[in-house]
Amino acid sequence: SQWGEENLQALSIQEGEDVTMNCSYKTYTTVVQWYRQKSGKGPAQLILIRSNEREKRSGRLRATLDTSSQSSSLSITGTLATDTAVYFCATDGGGGRALIFGTGTTVSVSP
Amino acid sequence: EAGVTQSPRYAVLQEGQAVSFWCDPISGHDTLYWYQQPRDQGPQLLVYFRDEAVIDNSQLPSDRFSAVRPKGTNSTLKIQSAKQGDTATYLCASSPTGVSAETLYFGSGTRLTVL
Repeated sequence: SQWGEENLQALSIQEGEDVTMNCSYKTYTTVVQWYRQKSGKGPAQLILIRSNEREKRSGRLRATLDTSSQSSSLSITGTLATDTAVYFCATDGGGGRALIFGTGTTVSVSP
Repeated sequence: EAGVTQSPRYAVLQEGQAVSFWCDPISGHDTLYWYQQPRDQGPQLLVYFRDEAVIDNSQLPSDRFSAVRPKGTNSTLKIQSAKQGDTATYLCASSPTGVSAETLYFGSGTRLTVL
């Protein structure tokens, strides 16, 4: 498998709290992409971080990448009930390949 | 701009029956992907095309699954003789050129139940 065990998580939080989810991978990747999938919908990309970047921000989102430990994290600040979803990280297995998705982290945000 | 369109939205079959899924990618996107997503798992690549050519079908169970994209636009994924283990959501995605740093745009998927 491409993935470490950190991907197997479910988190329940209250609106307004911050949340961080982690992803570890076993094969070199040129990018890590984070996707969000809401119930009954396909995944939608949130943020992309390249192998030469350590951190990337977009609105309430912050992604980090540590290529030495082959791990990435996604943080959401000031969560909303609408952030309830499954979050996936995805890698490219070194480039030239289709994205490989992790098993996902389920985040439930209560109003 | 229209997104990726998939049909049908749902399918329920008995084991041994055949089913086809249809995908219309975003206009101008030359790369099209089919992913299988079992319940509570991440999407798993089945096959992807660049224009009408298959780039990678190594994860497609070739004895029962087939996929085509004859004119480099729409695509059809077919299961010849469905098994209960095929129960999953089948997602289609497209991207402009298929390079690894591109965003994949997904449709809402077809949820298949095999009884």
